[in-house]
Amino acid sequence: QKEVEQDPGPLSVPEGAIVSLNCTYSNSAFQYFMWYRQYSRKGPELLMYTYSSGNKEDGRFTAQVDKSSKYISLFIRDSQPSDSATYLCAMQGAGSYQLTFGKGTKLSVIP
Amino acid sequence: EAGVTQFPSHSVIEKGQTVTLRCDPISGHDNLYWYRRVMGKEIKFLLHFVKESKQDESGMPNNRFLAERTGGTYSTLKVQPAELEDSGVYFCASSQGRGFYGYTFGSGTRLTVV
Repeated sequence: QKEVEQDPGPLSVPEGAIVSLNCTYSNSAFQYFMWYRQYSRKGPELLMYTYSSGNKEDGRFTAQVDKSSKYISLFIRDSQPSDSATYLCAMQGAGSYQLTFGKGTKLSVIP
Repeated sequence: EAGVTQFPSHSVIEKGQTVTLRCDPISGHDNLYWYRRVMGKEIKFLLHFVKESKQDESGMPNNRFLAERTGGTYSTLKVQPAELEDSGVYFCASSQGRGFYGYTFGSGTRLTVV
């Protein structure tokens, strides 16, 4: 069983739609949960992070973590063509420097 | 502030040859990491330097891979001899202190072994 599972998509939505991205994980030691955005031919860029369970909102983006279900989500409201990218979930255990990534979901927002 | 710089951006080599990838971290960042993404797979951790010392190299696939960090500044990752399965994108990241939030990734080196 992979430590982190993420549907690679691709996912295509019309501009203005609400996008839901999610990951599941198996390692109970993960404490930090992150979403990275990666544009083509670029490196991953940290979008949002959450420590332990709970929700976090930043503008049009909301990250949710449910540790009891080992499930994390990223919601994008009012999606824009500029949101078109690959979204990667990543996780980290307390005291660890290693990031464990999902495969990434390729999102296209169509004008 | 300059970001993490990696070069070359793309390298095509023949099986059995040697390739050296270079990473220049953000100035002042003690922590430097190498990650790799093989086609169709997740981005995977390779190793972690703190200044010039290897803190964790548990992700290095085998002894054909050698990483160094001269004087705690730039780092090189050498693959010798390269095999077909080494093809992928190699990312470098750096951070100043502990924790994920300090991570800044470079744009990666796309390595193709033919």
